[in-house]
Amino acid sequence: QQQVRQSPQSLTVWEGETAILNCSYENSAFDYFPWYQQFPGEGPALLISILSVSDKKEDGRFTIFFNKREKKLSLHIADSQPGDSATYFCAATPYQGGRALIFGTGTTVSVSP
Amino acid sequence: ETAVFQTPNYHVTQVGNEVSFNCKQTLGHDTMYWYKQDSKKLLKIMFSYNNKQLIVNETVPRRFSPQSSDKAHLNLRIKSVEPEDSAVYLCASSSRDWGAETLYFGSGTRLTVL
Repeated sequence: QQQVRQSPQSLTVWEGETAILNCSYENSAFDYFPWYQQFPGEGPALLISILSVSDKKEDGRFTIFFNKREKKLSLHIADSQPGDSATYFCAATPYQGGRALIFGTGTTVSVSP
Repeated sequence: ETAVFQTPNYHVTQVGNEVSFNCKQTLGHDTMYWYKQDSKKLLKIMFSYNNKQLIVNETVPRRFSPQSSDKAHLNLRIKSVEPEDSAVYLCASSSRDWGAETLYFGSGTRLTVL
């Protein structure tokens, strides 16, 4: 049972376009949502995160949009660069309680120059 | 800057053999994890150690066992490997800022079972 789902599974965009990655979850207790970026041959690394009290979080070209009512969020990568080509994981957990992160299924992004 | 070190990077072995993977973190964190990443890139938590105490043990086969000598080291032993154990094994250490947990992953050990 996959508690955190991502779509699409893979995505190709041209350099300069905005890539949109989707994530949905089932557990209403989840209120902390980090996104991790993984390059080939490396482990995932924290990219950006959001708490459910916010509906938007920006960090440079990366923006998370959050819809608590629909239990959905998305990661927008503006002005995509070839160096953004990686796999992106949405994760979720209750903010308090010390529970381990639950990772989504991942979206592999390819940016063509 | 690498702060979670895994060895070896790759390991090829045959069914039934025993393997061990090492992990060391220099971040001073109290919690470490082992994750399995399959060919579809799905990340599944296997074990969690908090200051040498096992606190999470998802339903992994008994042939897997974590081993820790101190809070900076968490090794993984597989007693008798099976073909389905072929995967990338990722070690991570964890920090918490209030309730927000951040994982710091190593680069992984890719296991191939022939």
